[in-house]
Amino acid sequence: GQSLEQPSEVTAVEGAIVQINCTYQTSGFYGLSWYQQHDGGAPTFLSYNALDGLEETGRFSSFLSRSDSYGYLLLQELQMKDSASYFCAVSGGGNKLTFGTGTQLKVEL
Amino acid sequence: SQTIHQWPATLVQPVGSPLSLECTVEGTSNPNLYWYRQAAGRGLQLLFYSVGIGQISSEVPQNLSASRPQDRQFILSSKKLLLSDSGFYLCAWSGTQFREQYFGPGTRLTVT
Repeated sequence: GQSLEQPSEVTAVEGAIVQINCTYQTSGFYGLSWYQQHDGGAPTFLSYNALDGLEETGRFSSFLSRSDSYGYLLLQELQMKDSASYFCAVSGGGNKLTFGTGTQLKVEL
Repeated sequence: SQTIHQWPATLVQPVGSPLSLECTVEGTSNPNLYWYRQAAGRGLQLLFYSVGIGQISSEVPQNLSASRPQDRQFILSSKKLLLSDSGFYLCAWSGTQFREQYFGPGTRLTVT
């Protein structure tokens, strides 16, 4: 089976940089995805890493280390609208994802 | 462009009553379809997924069932709801790249 661990909550100030970590244990691994969900809303896809290294998409970057079973999402120049829950998800086989429990990010002034 | 619809948006049902939630996708063919449940403040639990008409994979044994009568229609059902069935039900679709899933607006179900 698969299990993922994320911090439950992270707080940062507007304009800062924040990193949300994700460690995973899987019986098979193809890649790590990240999703954002605002309160009451549906999750939206942010990024995907299949290979080791950093993928950058605007203010958001995602990193993967397959040997360490570890990844993180990096958010730069934080804005109030970035306050949301962030989920990592593992592709471990089959046409499906296993999601982590999510990290609630609070951005303060 | 692709669009995913879910209805109803909210639902309050008594324990023991039946349930039917519908999800439809527009603008794509042969999508992978998924049903998730999310308890308040929790992660996404995959309930069912389907790679084609009539093909359903169940991830969690429980009193829910799913059907895919048409290519772009996915239905979640229950014959008798339990209190523990309360939650936020989300339908999602993906293409061949299932790592990138697109979610519907969700149905908030309260079982009383």
